[in-house]
This record gives sequence, structure tokens and C-alpha cells, in this order.
Amino acid sequence: EAGVAQSPRYKIIEKRQSVAFWCNPISGHATLYWYQQILGQGPKLLIQFQNNGVVDDSQLPKDRFSAERLKGVDSTLKIQPAKLEDSAVYLCASSPVGAGETQYFGPGTRLLVL
Amino acid sequence: GENVEQHPSTLSVQEGDSAVIKCTYSDSASNYFPWYKQELGKGPQLIIDIRSNVGEKKDQRIAVTLNKTAKHFSLHITETQPEDSAVYFCAASGRGGADGLTFGKGTHLIIQP
Repeated sequence: EAGVAQSPRYKIIEKRQSVAFWCNPISGHATLYWYQQILGQGPKLLIQFQNNGVVDDSQLPKDRFSAERLKGVDSTLKIQPAKLEDSAVYLCASSPVGAGETQYFGPGTRLLVL
Repeated sequence: GENVEQHPSTLSVQEGDSAVIKCTYSDSASNYFPWYKQELGKGPQLIIDIRSNVGEKKDQRIAVTLNKTAKHFSLHITETQPEDSAVYFCAASGRGGADGLTFGKGTHLIIQP
């Protein structure tokens, strides 16, 4: 079974530029999560989708971050404009259904904002 | 919201010895507690999890204990091996895991040969 795929793996941009990350969850997984992991810390949930609907986006900085999951499969996370403090690893995870299922993580996209 | 505290931040043990990592959580509604292992440049990988209706769970050299009254849970690794060296994260979630996870800050486990 293929795991969660993310691209790109690395991205370097200057502050105030925009950037987008892509995630392809494990086939058949209804729930998709985006987490932000700052160096030396645990991942922090940004947004949770159930199929193509948003379940929780309470920690998403909506003035600069946006995310979508068209057709309930792939998802894109965008930052516009980026700030220095957005430098982090952005992790995508998926789980089969909403309740009681393991979250499987992708390898992450490492973002450096200069 | 939920808050998860994890200790220690770094743990160095001799190969073959046991390692214990402890976590506390704040939200009594949390009922799902997974542990993840993260190696450099990789995403977190689930190693074991426990739900609130169970006090202890074991899988070969790894065990997790949960004390709901005290709101703490622990990871125990016995007979440690060099490949156990990594960063370990505890996490908590409500609705049996349907909610997003709240993670601790991680423990860097170092296995000394």
C-alpha cells in the first residue's frame, strides 16, 4: 500500500512570496490533516478535512494560510504572503475514517523563508 | 484546548537498558493516546497507541500505560537497540481519534553502544 505522498520535499522562498504544498493521501482515506512542525517542537494541527469538507481549522492563520481538498482526495496548502516564522516542516496525514483510526503521516515539506 | 506535556526532552540510555518517557494531558475528554517515532528527515511513524478503556498495552519491546485519573501516560521501551535512537512524540485526541492530534514537544532518545 502506497503511503501519503507530499511535494515538493524542500522549498526555499523569500518573505512576502507565496508557496503551495501538495498532498496525496492513502487511497480510500476519508480524513486528511495538515500539521506544521517548527524545529524542535511537536507537530501542530492546522486543518482537518473529512472528505472535501473542513472539520477543524481553528488553528489555521486564515489571513495568510488557505487549504482546499477538491473532490475529497488530494489537498493543497497555500501560504501568501510568507513570513520568516513560517519556516517549518509541513506534514500531511490521512486516516481511513473519522473515528478511532490511525493517522499516517507523509514525509513532509521543509519550508525555509529567508 | 488540549495541552500535552512531555518529559524528558532528551534521554540517553545504554544499549540493552530500558527507556521511559512520560506525558501528561489536560483535557479529560481526550480518549486516544498514540506514540510516534520520528527519524531525521522523515514523517512521524506510529509505534503504539492506547485508548481510554485500556490501562496498558504491549507490543514486543514497547509498552504504554495510561492513568486516566491522573491524566498521564507513559512509553516503555525494553532491551533498547541502536535503531531505537530517534525523537519520540506522545499525542492526545478526543472522539476516539477522530479529532486532530495535540502533540508533546518530543523526547530525543539516544542509545549509547
